[in-house]
Amino acid sequence: EVQLVESGGGLVQPGGSLRLSCAASEFTFSGHWMHWVRQAPGKGLVWVSSIFSDGSRATYADSVKGRFTISRDTAKNTLYLQMNSLRAEDTAVYYCAGNSVDNFDYWGQGTPVTVSS
Amino acid sequence: DVVMTQSPLSLPVTLGQPASISCRSSQSLVHSDGNTYLNWFQQRPGQSPRRLIYRVSNRDSGVPDRFSGSGSGTDFTLKISRVEAEDIGVYYCMQGTHWLGDLFGQGTELEIK
Repeated sequence: EVQLVESGGGLVQPGGSLRLSCAASEFTFSGHWMHWVRQAPGKGLVWVSSIFSDGSRATYADSVKGRFTISRDTAKNTLYLQMNSLRAEDTAVYYCAGNSVDNFDYWGQGTPVTVSS
Repeated sequence: DVVMTQSPLSLPVTLGQPASISCRSSQSLVHSDGNTYLNWFQQRPGQSPRRLIYRVSNRDSGVPDRFSGSGSGTDFTLKISRVEAEDIGVYYCMQGTHWLGDLFGQGTELEIK
């Protein structure tokens, strides 16, 4: 069974940084896009960033461009999201998701990020 | 940028009755490769999202056949033929044709009357 397990979330002050990780099991990144999606408390799903498995292509939502960096380690089958210059509006549960047959076939359980002083 | 608009945003339904959710995009979702990348997701309370339908009308493995997707171009619909208690949650459409702007609709909360 495919599993995506996020970690690295927590409480951080405005302006601070966090690095989220997403470890995949029974699923190989090779040839697939991987994504980060977030959900603010009581709100809907918002796409954050995506990366192709070989790292050749990455895209970002305008709201995080220049502050967040997506990356992956194919040897470790792990996806990352480096988040810098965090703002209160970045507070959300962050999900990683992976493609297989189509977009967003698999989802992790999410890791919460709270940006507050 | 593409804007995805769902309606209604709240959908009270009686058990055993049908339900229908509309999703409209501000641009055609027909990709240059000929596919239409429109998916539907279900998020039950306290759970991660789960995909139900991909490329407009293809049901994912394990999804009950009471769920169906249809549409083309800019107008799409998710239908539940007979709502069951386990169907409560929020439903999102998502476009994967234009990776700019909104990918997800605002969500439609399905509740039991």
